Amino acid sequence: DAKTTQPTSMDCAEGRAANLPCNHSTISGNEYVYWYRQIHSQGPQYIIHGLKNNETNEMASLIITEDRKSSTLILPHATLRDTAVYYCIVRVENNFNKFYFGSGTKLNVKP
Amino acid sequence: DTAVSQTPKYLVTQMGNDKSIKCEQNLGHDTMYWYKQDSKKFLKIMFSYNNKELIINETVPNRFSPKSPDKAHLNLHINSLELGDSAVYFCASSRSLGRTEAFFGQGTRLTVV
Repeated sequence: DAKTTQPTSMDCAEGRAANLPCNHSTISGNEYVYWYRQIHSQGPQYIIHGLKNNETNEMASLIITEDRKSSTLILPHATLRDTAVYYCIVRVENNFNKFYFGSGTKLNVKP
Repeated sequence: DTAVSQTPKYLVTQMGNDKSIKCEQNLGHDTMYWYKQDSKKFLKIMFSYNNKELIINETVPNRFSPKSPDKAHLNLHINSLELGDSAVYFCASSRSLGRTEAFFGQGTRLTVV
């Protein structure tokens, strides 16, 4: 499985964009990058995923570098409710949706 | 309506006991999972069922036995509980085994004393 590296924590001011980086330098050609988040005492919540093109949905945008060795999750206008641990995951190749969540990035959105 | 629901939310029990955690999804998904989140917050898959058939068993001790009576339910039974089993257990479901997002339940915090 491709290993991911994320900063332990980040701060962001409410209303500003939150940019969460992730390194996955050993990613294979057909492995997807997924982002989930876990708000305190809740189950993980799917945010977005992509292969090589940038993706956007109602929650966030995902920017993947051309060499696919890193990506950035962008929350365009962070709110206090976005305070959570954000996990960047590279999905294994066997199509079994077998996710392993590492330590993630604790995003603190401050007023 | 809760999409993926687990019961109980909290479970405190003594070593050696047998306990079950229940999970139900009302999303019409084919695939269900059990994940374990340890004290360091690492979340790892334990089992995956697709249409009631076991697909993934991630080297979990055989004291853990999943049961899927139908594709909307995946229960987890744990025999002879040990202190190291203390963790938060999450049930999840997805539309299929393919590249689709997983929806997680709220978790069951199991504490073995």
